[in-house]
Amino acid sequence: SQQGEEDPQALSIQEGENATMNCSYKTSINNLQWYRQNSGRGLVHLILIRSNEREKHSGRLRVTLDTSKKSSSLLITASRAADTASYFCATASDDYKLSFGAGTTVTVRA
Amino acid sequence: ETGVTQSPTHLIKTRGQQVTLRCSSQSGHNTVSWYQQALGQGPQFIFQYYREEENGRGNFPPRFSGLQFPNYSSELNVNALELDDSALYLCASSVKLIKIDDSPLHFGNGTRLTVT
Repeated sequence: SQQGEEDPQALSIQEGENATMNCSYKTSINNLQWYRQNSGRGLVHLILIRSNEREKHSGRLRVTLDTSKKSSSLLITASRAADTASYFCATASDDYKLSFGAGTTVTVRA
Repeated sequence: ETGVTQSPTHLIKTRGQQVTLRCSSQSGHNTVSWYQQALGQGPQFIFQYYREEENGRGNFPPRFSGLQFPNYSSELNVNALELDDSALYLCASSVKLIKIDDSPLHFGNGTRLTVT
């Protein structure tokens, strides 16, 4: 079973628009990470937010974390065609593994 | 700085056979993890190795086994292959254990295994 659940499962936006996706998880965490995966390739780490942080920025990415609701959101601003990919949240707990959700597939239309 | 490399990129095996997948960790990384990703799903944790010892295991049967070598390269072995083992197998390296340090994972591009 997977710890995280992303919402929506798929998202289609116009180039230049913002994309927002959400992640909910079930158990307490040390940190939450977001990864991107282009079709058939490996995952690329985007951003990490610790359990005592509420918001973090990296370039066009903004991540929020609400531990009381066990949820996180990833915002990609001013999207580009190159942002077309699947996005996964992953939670790190005390048991040495990252637990991934099923992902959100983002399509950016030119 | 070299990244994580995996071989082979694609593999086709028959049910009941055995397979070995290989991974070279990123330079300077001492921890390697293996994940299985079925089509349309997120990666599922198989196990992690730190300093050549298994250091955590997911919900996978014993026919999934691994090795980490002194140069931090790694192998994933799967015996008695089943059709459901068809998936993308991802290797990821990191600097320290996730429990101790917030070290992100660096993934290879995976091996696509098809079991017929």
